[in-house]
Amino acid sequence: NAGVTQTPKFQVLKTGQSMTLQCAQDMNHEYMSWYRQDPGMGLRLIHYSVGAGITDQGEVPNGYNVSRSTTEDFPLRLLSAAPSQTSVYFCASSRGGHNEQFFGPGTRLTVL
Amino acid sequence: RKEVEQDPGPFNVPEGATVAFNCTYSNSASQSFFWYRQDCRKEPKLLMSVYSSGNEDGRFTAQLNRASQYISLLIRDSKLSDSATYLCVVTGAGGSARQLTFGSGTQLTVLP
Repeated sequence: NAGVTQTPKFQVLKTGQSMTLQCAQDMNHEYMSWYRQDPGMGLRLIHYSVGAGITDQGEVPNGYNVSRSTTEDFPLRLLSAAPSQTSVYFCASSRGGHNEQFFGPGTRLTVL
Repeated sequence: RKEVEQDPGPFNVPEGATVAFNCTYSNSASQSFFWYRQDCRKEPKLLMSVYSSGNEDGRFTAQLNRASQYISLLIRDSKLSDSATYLCVVTGAGGSARQLTFGSGTQLTVLP
């Protein structure tokens, strides 16, 4: 099993550009989440999904969209990149909300 | 007050030392507790769950004090490979990803 995979690993954007961060898992987990990690802030939840076709907002959803058309994939879209979105983005999956979270390797995003 | 608070450190200890980390949480309804380990520029990985009766995994011991709303992690006989950031994670009632809260982490460096 590959576990949780994320692409790209690194990305540089200009302010106003849009892009999609990809996330896929092969563990048949229902729960998937997107987090951003900033120095001194810990991991903050952006959006999450409890199953295909179901998504909900987390703590910091503004500027991001998600969709969950399959159990395996959970892409995160940046609509119009801003320097405040410079961060490390982690995708995670789990069997349920109280279970171990499996994280992808992360995407380091810089917005100029 | 942050929902989950940790001493950011850094903790610099010699090999073989015993080191303890504490984490406090604000939601008395919290149900599940975990310690994750994050190596530099890597994704977080589960170190251990924390059970009400306390639990041990080799050199690592986790304790939960519901009355005082804190959890602890004790590392005995520290190894160089223990150098990492340790994240305290708390899950609230309901079990959704929205209820999963990460502390900002405690940095540990084990010195030769």
